[in-house]
Amino acid sequence: DSGVTQTPKHLITATGQRVTLRCSPRSGDLSVYWYQQSLDQGLQFLIQYYNGEERAKGNILERFSAQQFPDLHSELNLSSLELGDSALYFCASSPLALAGGAGEQFFGPGTRLTVL
Amino acid sequence: AQSVTQLGSHVSVSEGALVLLRCNYSSSVPPYLFWYVQYPNQGLQLLLKYTSAATLVKGINGFEAEFKKSETSFHLTKPSAHMSDAAEYFCAVTSGDGGSQGNLIFGKGTKLSVKP
Repeated sequence: DSGVTQTPKHLITATGQRVTLRCSPRSGDLSVYWYQQSLDQGLQFLIQYYNGEERAKGNILERFSAQQFPDLHSELNLSSLELGDSALYFCASSPLALAGGAGEQFFGPGTRLTVL
Repeated sequence: AQSVTQLGSHVSVSEGALVLLRCNYSSSVPPYLFWYVQYPNQGLQLLLKYTSAATLVKGINGFEAEFKKSETSFHLTKPSAHMSDAAEYFCAVTSGDGGSQGNLIFGKGTKLSVKP
């Protein structure tokens, strides 16, 4: 158990809908990262927040947005969903803004999104 | 920009045999390198990391990896495979350019099968 929790575990929805994925980082971790894992694209970085502020953006679509709240939990909002958005969405947390040199990222179990 | 290439999407070994999973990286700055493992229906777990200290890095579950700058490689090895090692393995590098510092850039992954 990494200490990172994600809800829901599974989500099935229809095209055009909007969903919200939730992540609670490990206690004390200030950084939250969102990744998407799909069969064709592999694991891709979407966005990072550090202590409530957006720190870095990756291949995140304009239809997607995220935020980190004062209690450090984060939400990833996906709207106008398309079939191609079906994927496993991971949240990871880290104590610091720069995970590479200072430590590892701890991954949650993921949310599997299926768009029908 | 940083990138990672994992040679071989599937590797099959017999129980007790050597495990060798290949990873080559491309980085314009000194890299931080990681190996993560993903068991079925689970999140990613860190096996080991290279952060510019010793070039031979020992990780959990008997895995180790050697950083070879001249070959831009960070191959993962284990002397004797166990059935429980069957999983997907991801090599990753942290980006170090501009505003995307700290997020992980993953390879496509290598699925390891262990035959009894």
